[in-house]
Amino acid sequence: GAVVSQHPSRVICKSGTSVKIECRSLDFQATTMFWYRQFPKQSLMLMATSNEGSKATYEQGVEKDKFLINHASLTLSTLTVTSAHPEDSSFYICSAKARRQGETQYFGPGTRLLVL
Amino acid sequence: GQQLNQSPQSMFIQEGEDVSMNCTSSSIFNTWLWYKQDPGEGPVLLIALYKAGELTSNGRLTAQFGITRKDSFLNISASIPSDVGIYFCAGQRPINFGNEKLTFGTGTRLTIIP
Repeated sequence: GAVVSQHPSRVICKSGTSVKIECRSLDFQATTMFWYRQFPKQSLMLMATSNEGSKATYEQGVEKDKFLINHASLTLSTLTVTSAHPEDSSFYICSAKARRQGETQYFGPGTRLLVL
Repeated sequence: GQQLNQSPQSMFIQEGEDVSMNCTSSSIFNTWLWYKQDPGEGPVLLIALYKAGELTSNGRLTAQFGITRKDSFLNISASIPSDVGIYFCAGQRPINFGNEKLTFGTGTRLTIIP
């Protein structure tokens, strides 16, 4: 099956710093990548949809200037949490989808962010 | 954002028992998916359903796409210890060509009592 990786798997940072999370599709070209956030004991909430070479589409209530998304190639999307605060601590999960409509979304293993 | 209603919220069962959980929505979806998530991991796809009324099996797992396209259920037969985890349903509808968004359910946490 298709493999999606995320790096780092966990990160601890100080309040006010920025953190970059990478999402890579390892054996397929992902025209679309999705970024989710999951708080403890809760479900996955879609933050944004990212298409290669174009601006990301953010869900309502997600600040695009705070969560910067770059999808510069068909195998890499990055999420940068700018000026992170403790309330941004969460589990961030990406998924990637190939070009054909209806192609399954493959999920990464997630990145746990803790902001002190 | 929208979430799908999933029930039960948690289940405590003995090994060997059958499990049933369901997911309902106020709106229609084109595709229903069932995922399992282990602690600290991303979700893994178990079953995908593409047509209203469809009944699909994957080993001990069986899922159905409701005829109204607003619900789905997942059954697990003869549960084993590795079935422990959180199960999420997800509905999918196209927002435009090639960009199907997933809306996740609230999750069902399955625990097996020794």
